Amino acid sequence: DGGITQSPKYLFRKEGQNVTLSCEQNLNHDAMYWYRQDPGQGLRLIYYSQIVNDFQKGDIAEGYSVSREKKESFPLTVTSAQKNPTAFYLCASRVRGELGTDTQYFGPGTRLTVL
Amino acid sequence: AQSVTQLGSHVSVSEGALVLLRCNYSSSVPPYLFWYVQYPNQGLQLLLKYTSAATLVKGINGFEAEFKKSETSFHLTKPSAHMSDAAEYFCAVRNSGGSNYKLTFGKGTLLTVNP
Repeated sequence: DGGITQSPKYLFRKEGQNVTLSCEQNLNHDAMYWYRQDPGQGLRLIYYSQIVNDFQKGDIAEGYSVSREKKESFPLTVTSAQKNPTAFYLCASRVRGELGTDTQYFGPGTRLTVL
Repeated sequence: AQSVTQLGSHVSVSEGALVLLRCNYSSSVPPYLFWYVQYPNQGLQLLLKYTSAATLVKGINGFEAEFKKSETSFHLTKPSAHMSDAAEYFCAVRNSGGSNYKLTFGKGTLLTVNP
């Protein structure tokens, strides 16, 4: 069954702790993305990776880190430097299309609450 | 840089009424535009996309959107609302050119359907 999985669905952490969010896809997509969603703010891009062993900062990368050691996996670490980490985190991957019609597909999300 | 504006953070309709969710974009080149839907505590699901093949785009669940270049708009419509349409809807535009594919999202419109 192909798709994007994110785990866990709910995550609670104490302030000052680093936490890693998992994102796995078995769709054979090259590109993967991490977004942060806050109420009324839409989605904001944190990091993205177009290919294994390469990634770029998005619009709000401060306080986050990523790795892309395997095509299937793109974990996101929320570090203690992130000042307001409580949010809903969405992972996406991109399928290629003709003439620029590439499309992003999303995982189910992880809701992180920092206490 | 590309941007999208969704007019109305909250739209309320009666069951069976027309649904109209507004999206205006800003882009220096012909854009690629997307509508996504999000149900509570879930990821985003693609409704439809505009890729310049046709100005009227039909999507899933009876939704459609019309690209109007003169108005820089890509409004989402559905002739008759159903209770199951209650969700948050996001309009997005792809960055123009280059090899780094990114989407910029609007802040979302929450659709409420009243019985």
